[in-house]
Amino acid sequence: DQQVKQNSPSLSVQEGRISILNCDYTNSMFDYFLWYKKYPAEGPTFLISISSIKDKNEDGRFTVFLNKSAKHLSLHIVPSQPGDSAVYFCAAIVQGSGSRLTFGEGTQLTVNP
Amino acid sequence: GAVVSQHPSWVICKSGTSVKIECRSLDFQATTMFWYRQFPKQSLMLMATSNEGSKATYEQGVEKDKFLINHASLTLSTLTVTSAHPEDSSFYICSARREDYGYTFGSGTRLTVV
Repeated sequence: DQQVKQNSPSLSVQEGRISILNCDYTNSMFDYFLWYKKYPAEGPTFLISISSIKDKNEDGRFTVFLNKSAKHLSLHIVPSQPGDSAVYFCAAIVQGSGSRLTFGEGTQLTVNP
Repeated sequence: GAVVSQHPSWVICKSGTSVKIECRSLDFQATTMFWYRQFPKQSLMLMATSNEGSKATYEQGVEKDKFLINHASLTLSTLTVTSAHPEDSSFYICSARREDYGYTFGSGTRLTVV
């Protein structure tokens, strides 16, 4: 049962344009969501997160939007840069003791110069 | 702050041998660490949750006798792949949880069993 899904395995955008990565979830108990960036043969690095009590969180070029009714979140990167090319994972959690992250399948973002 | 060091970054071993992977939280104490496995072009699959001073909690389908986890201190968890076989070849990643910094991941270990 894949509780967190990223339906687009890949996304290609031009440098300077907006990248939009999508993520859907099924577990309504999830109350905190995170986005991670991962390069090949490296561990994920944290990008941005959002609590379920908010619908938007912004950090520089990265903005995460949360639509609880649709159980959908998205990561916007603007403007996109070639260095943003990586695999992006969304993850969700039910906060509390022993809580663990549930990851989506990842989306490979390629930003073309 | 919140740095997690994972060692080795890559290892090649012969089939039937055992391999130990270390995960250290360098500047904080981690009561809980997590071990993940990632196959090519797939998600990170949680293998087990490692709690300091107690037995690890394994996810369904993960053989606890094959993947031995030890969390003897607040800064070190180890994963030992016993009697490794080629199908165990994968990318293993650890993560440590700290209240204020959330989850920090190690750099991963590429295991190749030949």
